[in-house]
Amino acid sequence: AQSVAQPEDQVNVAEGNPLTVKCTYSVSGNPYLFWYVQYPNRGLQFLLKYITGDNLVKGSYGFEAEFNKSQTSFHLKKPSALVSDSALYFCAVRDGTDSNYQLIWGAGTKLIIKP
Amino acid sequence: GAGVSQSPSNKVTEKGKDVELRCDPISGHTALYWYRQSLGQGLEFLIYFQGNSAPDKSGLPSDRFSAERTGGSVSTLTIQRTQQEDSAVYLCASSTTTGLAGVGTQYFGPGTRLTVL
Repeated sequence: AQSVAQPEDQVNVAEGNPLTVKCTYSVSGNPYLFWYVQYPNRGLQFLLKYITGDNLVKGSYGFEAEFNKSQTSFHLKKPSALVSDSALYFCAVRDGTDSNYQLIWGAGTKLIIKP
Repeated sequence: GAGVSQSPSNKVTEKGKDVELRCDPISGHTALYWYRQSLGQGLEFLIYFQGNSAPDKSGLPSDRFSAERTGGSVSTLTIQRTQQEDSAVYLCASSTTTGLAGVGTQYFGPGTRLTVL
C-alpha cells in the first residue's frame, strides 16, 4: 500500500536560518513525489515535484527538495527562511506505474518562521 | 490561463438543508478531485473522476454525499440533509494525464467554505 509520512506536526525556524520539512514515503512502483503549500485562508499551491532524473529538484519561492531512494525520503528545504514562508506544507506521492492519478497525501506540517 | 474555479466561495446553511458546490476545472484536464479540509487539518479525499471511467467514490463519508461531472468538465458536489459535522472547506482540483505534464500534478481551486448552523 502507498503511504506518506510527515513526522513533524510543526516546525519552528528563525528567519534567515535554513529550514527542512521532512517527508518519507512508501510506494511499490516508481515514486512521483510532490510538495504543496497552503497559505492561511488560501487553496493549495503546487511547489515542486520529482518524477525522474536529478535527485535535487528546485521549485517556487526558493524551495528545493531532495529525493533519496535508499531512505525513501523527499525532504523540503530552503537555505534561508522568510517570515512569509509560514504556512502549511503537504507532501504527496503516487505510483508512476499506476494508471490511477490520485495522490496519497501526508497529514501536513505547519511551518512557523519567527522574525 | 484560467485556473480551477469554485462557487460559491462561502456557503452558510441550516442543518437539514441540501447544498450544491460547483467546480470548474482547468480546460482540458481529464481528472478531477474533491477533497474536504477541516480547519488547519489535512486533506480528506472524497471522490475522483478520470475521463469517462466510473468515478472512485471510496472517500465519500456517507450516502448523503454525491457528485457528478457533466460532459467531462464541470462537477457538482451535493450534500443532502446537511449536518454540523459537514462544516469544512471543500476543495476541488484537476489534473491532466497526458504529455510531460501528465504526471498527476493537481491544481486546486480556492475552495468553498461550508458552514452548517
